Amino acid sequence: KAGVTQTPRYLIKTRGQQVTLSCSPISGHRSVSWYQQTPGQGLQFLFEYFSETQRNKGNFPGRFSGRQFSNSRSEMNVSTLELGDSALYLCASSRVGELDTQYFGPGTRLTVL
Amino acid sequence: AQTVTQSQPEMSVQEAETVTLSCTYDTSESDYYLFWYKQPPSRQMILVIRQEAYKQQNATENRFSVNFQKAAKSFSLKISDSQLGDAAMYFCAYRAAGGATNKLIFGTGTLLAVQP
Repeated sequence: KAGVTQTPRYLIKTRGQQVTLSCSPISGHRSVSWYQQTPGQGLQFLFEYFSETQRNKGNFPGRFSGRQFSNSRSEMNVSTLELGDSALYLCASSRVGELDTQYFGPGTRLTVL
Repeated sequence: AQTVTQSQPEMSVQEAETVTLSCTYDTSESDYYLFWYKQPPSRQMILVIRQEAYKQQNATENRFSVNFQKAAKSFSLKISDSQLGDAAMYFCAYRAAGGATNKLIFGTGTLLAVQP
């Protein structure tokens, strides 16, 4: 069974641009969560989607948005990029059961110049 | 708000020896889940072990075991017979029970080095 895939793996953008990151969950998984990992702030929760609905959101500005499609694939978008948005963005998927494990993808490394 | 604290930024262990990584957390909830995740240099986050708060028995997965002290809000990870492949960043994480969210709250991590 294929794992969680994230594309692209690496991305370089300049300040003011926008970026879209993609996450394909494991087949059968309907819940997708996004995390930002930086050396200074560590791992921070961005948002969570289940059945195309955002059911939880972290404390991030409105420049960060996301969505989930009917096939459970998810995208996150960051508009008007700032230098501080440089980070590893991790996606995790799971089934819907409370005891179900979250499986993480390899991440997308975003560098903002 | 729930918080997770890992007070050991770095640890080192000799191959084949045992090491314990510490984690404390704060929550007002009585039911929740605790996790240890491993992040090797490849950056892929891997679940090591999980503990349900309503279970008094400590979880064990092969060479990995936890010491869960609910009253003290402590959740340490013991790695026995350490191997070179255990070298990684280890994160302790908390998740609320109830099924309303899969949100994980992570600690700051402990970087484990394994010496040959």
